[in-house]
Amino acid sequence: GENVEQHPSTLSVQEGDSAVIKCTYSDSASNYFPWYKQELGKRPQLIIDIRSNVGEKKDQRIAVTLNKTAKHFSLHITETQPEDSAVYFCAANTDKLIFGTGTRLQVFP
Amino acid sequence: GAVVSQHPSRVICKSGTSVKIECRSLDFQATTMFWYRQFPKQSLMLMATSNEGSKATYEQGVEKDKFLINHASLTLSTLTVTSAHPEDSSFYICSARDLGELFFGEGSRLTVL
Repeated sequence: GENVEQHPSTLSVQEGDSAVIKCTYSDSASNYFPWYKQELGKRPQLIIDIRSNVGEKKDQRIAVTLNKTAKHFSLHITETQPEDSAVYFCAANTDKLIFGTGTRLQVFP
Repeated sequence: GAVVSQHPSRVICKSGTSVKIECRSLDFQATTMFWYRQFPKQSLMLMATSNEGSKATYEQGVEKDKFLINHASLTLSTLTVTSAHPEDSSFYICSARDLGELFFGEGSRLTVL
């Protein structure tokens, strides 16, 4: 089955800096790669996604890149703000969605 | 976007009792729903795929006799934790897909005393 690895597990940045989170997946049949932000005790919130026919997607301060050959994808957050602090999960999907292990991002003012 | 509603949001029960959690798709029909479990500071782990009108598909290591799943209609799936033990205490969250995007319920925090 699909296995998704995510790094780093924790990430601390200064406000205004960029943050990058990386994931790898194992199943070449995976065709959809969403990223979620989860605050404590809440449901995951979709922040951006990318499909396998696209290499890069951007939405304001958030971008995602996908390298299908290498089976890895990354989340880039620019101009980070304290409210970006949360746990971020990547995921890979075939017929079911498998999550990465999560990254706790802390943005210090 | 589509709405998935989950109930109850919090439940406390005694060891040995059973607890039922409901997951409803409010404005769309879902032939398939997914149940996840999340322990503190860990990721969401897929437990099972709920299929309307047929048996659920359980992930490896998940006891189907302990976690009973019923997908009785196109808008409702239920997860029953039977003979609950303290180690079953966790955040249970359901999801359903609408037009290719996965939507999550609010989650149910189960505490077994």
